[in-house]
Amino acid sequence: EAQVTQNPRYLITVTGKKLTVTCSQNMNHEYMSWYRQDPGLGLRQIYYSMNVEVTDKGDVPEGYKVSRKEKRNFPLILESPSPNQTSLYFCASRGLAVTGELFFGEGSRLTVL
Amino acid sequence: KQEVTQIPAALSVPEGENLVLNCSFTDSAIYNLQWFRQDPGKGLTSLLLIQSSQREQTSGRLNASLDKSSGRSTLYIAASQPGDSATYLCAVMNNAGNMLTFGGGTRLMVKP
Repeated sequence: EAQVTQNPRYLITVTGKKLTVTCSQNMNHEYMSWYRQDPGLGLRQIYYSMNVEVTDKGDVPEGYKVSRKEKRNFPLILESPSPNQTSLYFCASRGLAVTGELFFGEGSRLTVL
Repeated sequence: KQEVTQIPAALSVPEGENLVLNCSFTDSAIYNLQWFRQDPGKGLTSLLLIQSSQREQTSGRLNASLDKSSGRSTLYIAASQPGDSATYLCAVMNNAGNMLTFGGGTRLMVKP
């Protein structure tokens, strides 16, 4: 089954404790991206990757890092999480050679105390 | 910078009604426009995708149109059902195919 898998789905952590949210897709998609969803602010793009070793900033990249060492994986790294990074995070992927439909993961709800 | 607006923000209708959700965007240089459904606390389910060269797409009771020159898209839902209750989001992909901008969503409630 074609899918985008995020882990963990739920996480409570404390300020400053480094964490990684993993994202993996099984569709051989070149493009992957991360979004955060906040009440009143909607969904905003954090980072994206057009292919392996190619990443770039979205609209709200501050406080986040990403890497794309393999085509299927695109982890989101919070080096020193702060309470304002409490949010619902989504990963998505799409193939560049097809229609461009984005497939989303189920989301990761992160709380930073 | 692309801005996407959805009107109305919330909508409550009785079961069986046909309804229209609106989405407008400021930059017409787009790659595609996609409509999503989101249930509370859940992920996004893709409903329809319209390429920039297309005018409309249909899937079952859903029909989405795109008028790129005026920066507008509509999602038409025929014969609404309580199971259609959810938040509907439109999202515009830029011409380069790398940046996605979402509207704020329309929260739909269909009453039995």
